[in-house]
Formats: sequence, structure tokens, C-alpha cells
Amino acid sequence: GENVEQHPSTLSVQEGDSAVIKCTYSDSASNYFPWYKQELGKGPQLIIDIRSNVGEKKDQRIAVTLNKTAKHFSLHITETQPEDSAVYFCAASIEASNSGYALNFGKGTSLLVTP
Amino acid sequence: NAGVTQTPKFRILKIGQSMTLQCTQDMNHNYMYWYRQDPGMGLKLIYYSVGAGITDKGEVPNGYNVSRSTTEDFPLRLELAAPSQTSVYFCASSHVPGQGSYGYTFGSGTRLTVV
Repeated sequence: GENVEQHPSTLSVQEGDSAVIKCTYSDSASNYFPWYKQELGKGPQLIIDIRSNVGEKKDQRIAVTLNKTAKHFSLHITETQPEDSAVYFCAASIEASNSGYALNFGKGTSLLVTP
Repeated sequence: NAGVTQTPKFRILKIGQSMTLQCTQDMNHNYMYWYRQDPGMGLKLIYYSVGAGITDKGEVPNGYNVSRSTTEDFPLRLELAAPSQTSVYFCASSHVPGQGSYGYTFGSGTRLTVV
């Protein structure tokens, strides 16, 4: 089955700096790669996603890049703010309308943004 | 819209007891999922459903059962609770790929402790 590795497990940055979280996946058939943000005591929330026909996607201060050949994708957060502090999860799946698209998650990165 | 609602939020069970974790969604999503989250381990898929009357096992189904009698509800049943089932349980739902916005919507979780 699909195996998703995520690094680093913890990341501390100063407010205003950039943060980068990296993930690798094992199944070359995977074609959907979302990122989730989980705040303390809450469920994960989708922040951005990318499909395998796109190399990069940006939404304000958040961007995701995908390298299909190397089977890795990354989350980039620019101009970090204290409210960006949370646990971030990457995931990978194969979108198939008959079988759902069960997500395989990485183990998470705890991001701390210090003022 | 309430989104995905999980009850209860917290529960302590004794070894050998049984319980049902409730999950309901009001977004008319066909797909629903149950994940468990253990510290530092990410989220593991327990069961999923692609529609009413259809369920399938995920990565860690042992000790659990599910049913999907309606589009809205997807309860998770624990029989003979064991300490290894101490975890935070998340229910999620999504549209069929290609229909509507992508990505999971998660509930706020149920924190279960088995003693």
C-alpha cells in the first residue's frame, strides 16, 4: 500500500520567516495530494491540495509543489504568523470514483511560530 | 450547515465494554470515513463507505464495525474495548471525486480512553 513519509516532525520558526514541510510517497499511481492543518482539540482542516497534472499551486501565503518523478511534494508557508502554529499533515491518494479516495497520511509536523 | 458532527466528544470505557461513536453529516456527501489518531502516528483509516449500504475495511479495522443505513449517518461500533483502542477518533466525509469541491471535511473528534 501507499506509504507517506513526512519531515520534519517538529519545526520552529520566527514570525515572518518561511516554513517548508516535505513529504514523499511510494505509490506512483497516487494522483491527489492534500495538506491539512490541525489546531489543538480540533479536526484537521484542508488548506490546499494539488493533483498530479499540476506542478505547483499557490493560495496567498501557502504554496504546494509536486515532483512526480521524485515522488515528493512540499508545503511552503511564507511570512509566517503565530496563528500558523499547528500540526500539518500531508496525504496522498488515488482518486477513483468507485472506491472512494481514502487518504494515506504522513505522521504530521508540529509547526511553532514564535513572535 | 453543521458539517460533520461527532458524539460524544469524550468517553472513558472499561476493558470489555462496548460503545458506538456517532457521526452524521449534512453536506449530502456520498463518501464517509473513520480514522483514528494516535500521538506521533498520523491518522489511520479504520473503515470507509462510498454510499448507503456499502462499507469497506481500511488499514486498521480489527475490533471495529460500521454500518451505513443512510447517506447522513456512519456510526462506528467498538465491541469488547481494549486498551489498544485508546485514541482520538475522527469521522470525515467527502464528495465523489469529480463532483463538487474536493477534500475531506472532518468532525471535531471523539477522545476515547479504555481503562
